[in-house]
Amino acid sequence: SQKIEQNSEALNIQEGKTATLTCNYTNYSPAYLQWYRQDPGRGPVFLLLIRENEKEKRKERLKVTFDTTLKQSLFHITASQPADSATYLCALFEGQAGTALIFGKGTTLSVSS
Amino acid sequence: DAGVIQSPRHEVTEMGQEVTLRCKPISGHDYLFWYRQTMMRGLELLIYFNNNVPIDDSGMPEDRFSAKMPNASFSTLKIQPSEPRDSAVYFCASRPSGIVGKYFGPGTRLTVT
Repeated sequence: SQKIEQNSEALNIQEGKTATLTCNYTNYSPAYLQWYRQDPGRGPVFLLLIRENEKEKRKERLKVTFDTTLKQSLFHITASQPADSATYLCALFEGQAGTALIFGKGTTLSVSS
Repeated sequence: DAGVIQSPRHEVTEMGQEVTLRCKPISGHDYLFWYRQTMMRGLELLIYFNNNVPIDDSGMPEDRFSAKMPNASFSTLKIQPSEPRDSAVYFCASRPSGIVGKYFGPGTRLTVT
């Protein structure tokens, strides 16, 4: 069956460390993948997009990798700050379809000072 | 730009009543999406429009749900009659053409008692 899993519901790390969030999928063939941030009581905010032929994408302290062989994407936040505390969602997209195949349920990151 | 605008932000209604959720997408965006988010099921796509035309409504739970987009700057999601299991946060999102991220609104928290 098709499914998407984000490594854990919650991740707690200390300020300054690197947070690594995982998105695994089975029985999908995504053309690209996106990561979103969601704060309590707010809608998701788009962060990064990575295509199937790209290994890595960076934006400031954020880095995303995409391994279509492992069927996995990793999302890294370096030098994490308490302000990075939020829920992070991954979403798979297939081809030029106008919408996401599926969103993950998210991982809630807590960064303590 | 004010971003995606949704109203109301909160709605409490009794079972059997009609509920209408409203959305104003970002100007110039030709895709509009309605999502529902619950703890159990995460973020689920209900329907999406391209240039005001419904493209995929396969996520609409049942005939009690309907959505319209009479023009490029307005869309509604209607539930009639509402049921307690419809309680969730409903998000509207929009995006321009191309492989880009979505812009989500703040959501409408619906509670059906």
